[in-house]
Amino acid sequence: GDSVTQMEGPVTLSEEAFLTINCTYTATGYPSLFWYVQYPGEGLQLLLKATKADDKGSNKGFEATYRKETTSFHLEKGSVQVSDSAVYFCALSDPGGSYIPTFGRGTSLIVHP
Amino acid sequence: NAGVTQTPKFRILKIGQSMTLQCTQDMNHNYMYWYRQDPGMGLKLIYYSVGAGITDKGEVPNGYNVSRSTTEDFPLRLELAAPSQTSVYFCASSRPPGSNQPQHFGDGTRLSIL
Repeated sequence: GDSVTQMEGPVTLSEEAFLTINCTYTATGYPSLFWYVQYPGEGLQLLLKATKADDKGSNKGFEATYRKETTSFHLEKGSVQVSDSAVYFCALSDPGGSYIPTFGRGTSLIVHP
Repeated sequence: NAGVTQTPKFRILKIGQSMTLQCTQDMNHNYMYWYRQDPGMGLKLIYYSVGAGITDKGEVPNGYNVSRSTTEDFPLRLELAAPSQTSVYFCASSRPPGSNQPQHFGDGTRLSIL
C-alpha cells in the first residue's frame, strides 16, 4: 500500500537558517504530493503541492520538488523565521490507490530568534 | 466562503456521556473524513465518506459512529465517552483523489473526557 515517511522532529533552527525536511513515499500509481502546515492550535492547511514528476511546488518561500526517481518530496526554505514554527506534514493522494490520502507522521519545526 | 466548519471548538465530557461533533462544508466535496490527533502525534483516520449515504471505517473507528445524509454534513458521534477519546478531532473534505486537489481541514474540536 501507499506510505509516506518523513524525518522525525523536532527540528530546531535559529532564525535565518536553511531548512530541509525530508519526505519519501511509496505509491502504487502516480500520486499527487502535498505539504501541509499546522500552526499551534489550528487545523492543517495546504502549504504547497506538486502533481507530476519534476514539478516544483512553492509558497511563502518554501519549495519542494517531486522527484520520481528517488520517490522524494523534500521541503526546503532558504531562511526560516520564528513565525515558521509549526508542524509540517507530507502527504500523497494516489488516484490508483485508495480513496484515502496518506499522511506522514509530521515534523515539528522550532525556530529560535 | 466558509470552507469546513466544525462545532464545538472545545468540549469537556464526563466518562459515559455521549455527544456529536458537527462538521459541515460548503465546497460541494463528495469526500469527507474524520481524524483524531493526539498530543505530539500525527493524524489517525476514524471514518470517511465518499458521498452521501456512503461511509466506511478508517484506522481507529471503535467507539465512534458517523452518518452522511447530505453532501454538506458529516457528524461524528461518541456514544460512551472514554478517557482514551481525549484528543483533537479534525474534519476534512476533498475532491476525489484523481483530481489532484488537496484536503481542506476544519479548525478542530478539542475534546477532554474526565
